[in-house]
Amino acid sequence: DAGVIQSPRHEVTEMGQEVTLRCKPISGHDYLFWYRQTMMRGLELLIYFNNNVPIDDSGMPEDRFSAKMPNASFSTLKIQPSEPRDSAVYFCASSSHGNEQFFGPGTRLTVL
Amino acid sequence: GIQVEQSPPDLILQEGANSTLRCNFSDSVNNLQWFHQNPWGQLINLFYIPSGTKQNGRLSATTVATERYSLLYISSSQTTDSGVYFCAVRARTRSSNTGKLIFGQGTTLQVKP
Repeated sequence: DAGVIQSPRHEVTEMGQEVTLRCKPISGHDYLFWYRQTMMRGLELLIYFNNNVPIDDSGMPEDRFSAKMPNASFSTLKIQPSEPRDSAVYFCASSSHGNEQFFGPGTRLTVL
Repeated sequence: GIQVEQSPPDLILQEGANSTLRCNFSDSVNNLQWFHQNPWGQLINLFYIPSGTKQNGRLSATTVATERYSLLYISSSQTTDSGVYFCAVRARTRSSNTGKLIFGQGTTLQVKP
């Protein structure tokens, strides 16, 4: 049984470039979450979806960040334009009925 | 919003020793999870334990929801237990739609051979 899948695992880009992170939740899960982990702020929720609908995006840092979930098996987190302070590990997680959350392996983003 | 505090922030153990990690939270919760972040950065689910006691091998956890704390016990520690242990909670609110997990700052554990 596959867990949460994220791609790419590592991304190095230059300031100003567009970055797209991808996530495939566990099949059958109806909640999807995007988190960011930094040394300064720890693990923090950016946005989450229920049945493909964004429910809470209050953690999205600014308009440069956007997230979509076009169907139950795919979500993207886009940063445009990227900045060095966006460097972090981005995790995707999913759960069934908002209960136990399972995390993907993360995408380590470095913006030069 | 709800506050989550973990203690101790850092812990060094000799292999074979036992330890207790604590998680205090400031409001009622309907979800509490313990995670282990290994040296490769992966977040591994340890326990989903909004209340009560659970055991899994050398690990066990207890959550006393009425007193707003949870404990993670590690017995006979091994070097592979090294990493960061996170507690995360979901506040109990009027809206049943919220799925937001709030993480503590973690306990960094180093087990020496």
